[in-house]
Amino acid sequence: DAGVIQSPRHEVTEMGQEVTLRCKPISGHDYLFWYRQTMMRGLELLIYFNNNVPIDDSGMPEDRFSAKMPNASFSTLKIQPSEPRDSAVYFCASSQWTGGRINQPQHFGDGTRLSIL
Amino acid sequence: SQQGEEDPQALSIQEGENATMNCSYKTSINNLQWYRQNSGRGLVHLILIRSNEREKHSGRLRVTLDTSKKSSSLLITASRAADTASYFCATDAWGAQKLVFGQGTRLTINP
Repeated sequence: DAGVIQSPRHEVTEMGQEVTLRCKPISGHDYLFWYRQTMMRGLELLIYFNNNVPIDDSGMPEDRFSAKMPNASFSTLKIQPSEPRDSAVYFCASSQWTGGRINQPQHFGDGTRLSIL
Repeated sequence: SQQGEEDPQALSIQEGENATMNCSYKTSINNLQWYRQNSGRGLVHLILIRSNEREKHSGRLRVTLDTSKKSSSLLITASRAADTASYFCATDAWGAQKLVFGQGTRLTINP
């Protein structure tokens, strides 16, 4: 299995530009999560999807952030316009629900390191 | 706010020694998970312990859970240089299929 694939691995752009981060979850997984990691705030959940439908976007910091999942094998996180405080590592993770109330392990990609100048 | 809080924030030990990390949380849980993160990489799941379990083993890892104290510990025995990483605990949140991660413990194994 290829694991969760994120692209790009690194992104450096100027303030005000649009940034699009991409994620391919593990085939067969029905949950997809977007996280942001910074030294100050740790690992924060931004949004998660179940069967391509957004379930909880309460972690999305502002309207500048949007996420989509047009099909089971692809998701994007977009920031428009970007600001220096958006600089962080963004992770995508996926998991497979097997029933019941137990959260299944999440499988993480290696992240996108985003720097906004 | 973070559900899980790890202690200590950083730990440095000699290779071969045992490493113990602790996690405290605030609300009732269904399960607690531990993850490892190597520098520049994503998190990797290590072990999951359910709320009705008290102890679980996986190789050199031993996890305990005390729901009365709302705490868990991760013990790595006979540490190796390759164990150098950050370790995070994560708890489920009110039955939803999402996890809340702590701030992590940065573990350094000195050769």
